[in-house]
Amino acid sequence: GQQLNQSPQSMFIQEGEDVSMNCTSSSIFNTWLWYKQEPGEGPVLLIALYKAGELTSNGRLTAQFGITRKDSFLNISASIPSDVGIYFCAGRALYGGSQGNLIFGKGTKLSVKP
Amino acid sequence: DAGVTQSPTHLIKTRGQQVTLRCSPKSGHDTVSWYQQALGQGPQFIFQYYEEEERQRGNFPDRFSGHQFPNYSSELNVNALLLGDSALYLCASSLGDELEFGNGTRLTVT
Repeated sequence: GQQLNQSPQSMFIQEGEDVSMNCTSSSIFNTWLWYKQEPGEGPVLLIALYKAGELTSNGRLTAQFGITRKDSFLNISASIPSDVGIYFCAGRALYGGSQGNLIFGKGTKLSVKP
Repeated sequence: DAGVTQSPTHLIKTRGQQVTLRCSPKSGHDTVSWYQQALGQGPQFIFQYYEEEERQRGNFPDRFSGHQFPNYSSELNVNALLLGDSALYLCASSLGDELEFGNGTRLTVT
């Protein structure tokens, strides 16, 4: 089925560093959502985006809905140890067989630098 | 206010058996979606229920079926289990575009 390309797959963070991750799709999306999942739990919604160009913040997190409607990015500023986890982008395609379904990327795993 | 609750949390089944997973949506939510999350992957959409009917379906075989009850709770049934069905099964409820997930049922097929 349709998938989102999410990168990077994994990254190590040092406390205080800024972090960026992004998602791209070959299809136009009308919704982008960013979730965080920790071990043993379900994904938790961080930010929701509904309009092309929209830039939304939630504390130290900032996400943008790309102008082309085919991409989105998530930034975390001044990372802290509790930011560790797996971050997923998810979107709804405007057209096609998967229209209306929420499609997930494969995730970006954030770990603390040893 | 309880969020989405799923039961059981863990389950071990044998190949060929059948399994039923249960989900209670967040209070006020009327739509339930089911996702399968394999290890190291993002969740994959199975199907969505609204007003007790399957509204949308992902690319999963007919062995996967579901039901939604008048109180909006839902069940996911999987028949003739395969080893490849081992995964975390997530239920999500919603009232609009934003899905709220439960903590999932970890199914292991041996």
